[in-house]
Amino acid sequence: RKEVEQDPGPFNVPEGATVAFNCTYSNSASQSFFWYRQDCRKEPKLLMSVYSSGNEDGRFTAQLNRASQYISLLIRDSKLSDSATYLCVVKGTAGANNLFFGTGTRLTVIP
Amino acid sequence: DGGITQSPKYLFRKEGQNVTLSCEQNLNHDAMYWYRQDPGQGLRLIYYSQIVNDFQKGDIAEGYSVSREKKESFPLTVTSAQKNPTAFYLCASIRTGMNTEAFFGQGTRLTVV
Repeated sequence: RKEVEQDPGPFNVPEGATVAFNCTYSNSASQSFFWYRQDCRKEPKLLMSVYSSGNEDGRFTAQLNRASQYISLLIRDSKLSDSATYLCVVKGTAGANNLFFGTGTRLTVIP
Repeated sequence: DGGITQSPKYLFRKEGQNVTLSCEQNLNHDAMYWYRQDPGQGLRLIYYSQIVNDFQKGDIAEGYSVSREKKESFPLTVTSAQKNPTAFYLCASIRTGMNTEAFFGQGTRLTVV
């Protein structure tokens, strides 16, 4: 079983739509969780960290469900500029610095 | 400005050649990583180093080699033993602690000609 699994999409949504991505992880002892954004032919960049209580940054909301071992990212009022691949990232257990990446979910926002 | 610098951005290799990809960081991070990304796929770990003079194989280390003689530098050599080296290579360093975050270089696109 992969450490991190994501639905690869693609998700094609109209401007203004709300879209949600889910990601599951296999190691229940994982410590930290993140969403990264990767534009075509560019490096990934941190979009937001995911905290147990859930966190929001403008139109983006991230949530963590430890019991079910999944992470979600919700994007409200989608913009054309949101088109990218969104990578779910999980940090290994305490003392290890390894990051495990999902394959990414591709989002295209359509005018 | 602090960050990670990869060079070159584009690299062409003839079959049978070894090539070295550079990765330099001035973030004072101990941990550095090399990933490979193929079209439509996620990042796969090639090698990582948690500290100077130490490194470990990742999931797809065959055909690659690394060194970590300085904290700032973690070069990756793609050897002739790597049968399918054409890919996008990303170097990263990780800030650990309360605000863990991975920082990436801009990547090197390697093509075998």
